[in-house]
Amino acid sequence: AQRVTQPEKLLSVFKGAPVELKCNYSYSGSPELFWYVQYSRQRLQLLLRHISRESIKGFTADLNKGETSFHLKKPFAQEEDSAMYYCALSYQGGSEKLVFGKGTKLTVNP
Amino acid sequence: NAGVMQNPRHLVRRRGQEARLRCSPMKGHSHVYWYRQLPEEGLKFMVYLQKENIIDESGMPKERFSAEFPKEGPSILRIQQVVRGDSAAYFCASSPGLNQETQYFGPGTRLLVL
Repeated sequence: AQRVTQPEKLLSVFKGAPVELKCNYSYSGSPELFWYVQYSRQRLQLLLRHISRESIKGFTADLNKGETSFHLKKPFAQEEDSAMYYCALSYQGGSEKLVFGKGTKLTVNP
Repeated sequence: NAGVMQNPRHLVRRRGQEARLRCSPMKGHSHVYWYRQLPEEGLKFMVYLQKENIIDESGMPKERFSAEFPKEGPSILRIQQVVRGDSAAYFCASSPGLNQETQYFGPGTRLLVL
């Protein structure tokens, strides 16, 4: 079965430090990978998806099929990056549904 | 564009009552998805609907839960005879319906069963 694992429930860094939120998936085919973010008291919103290859708010994520990973990275964290981050995948034959990880709460300290 | 709307935002029910959760998709979106989030868990897919059709209900519990997306009006997720284990956040998302298009999420409905 398709599964997304985010091994860190909580992650705390200082402002200006690099940050990496880990995401591993299990799926034998070619998935579509996403990162969603939920800021305090706001709705879940798409941060980036791997096919667009965009950098949003300084975040990037590279799909590594060999390691089945899609880690989210930012070289210099900002306090406004504090939020819940969810990695998700969809797959062909999966009727467009998203399979989510449990999320990582990122706190960026001043 | 107001985005995906869900109401109510908070719903309190006693065991045995019915809960009705509503979702209005973004303008121009014809596909709706429902997800449930239990405490300390990620979102879990429940059901995927198009107008007047259920496309995938593989995540729906077999009993007490039903969903519809009529030709007119919002999508409804209905939970009959609620139990305490139904307490969760229920999120709706919509998309234009094209292949693997981005899903846009609503603010969620927090259901508390007493």
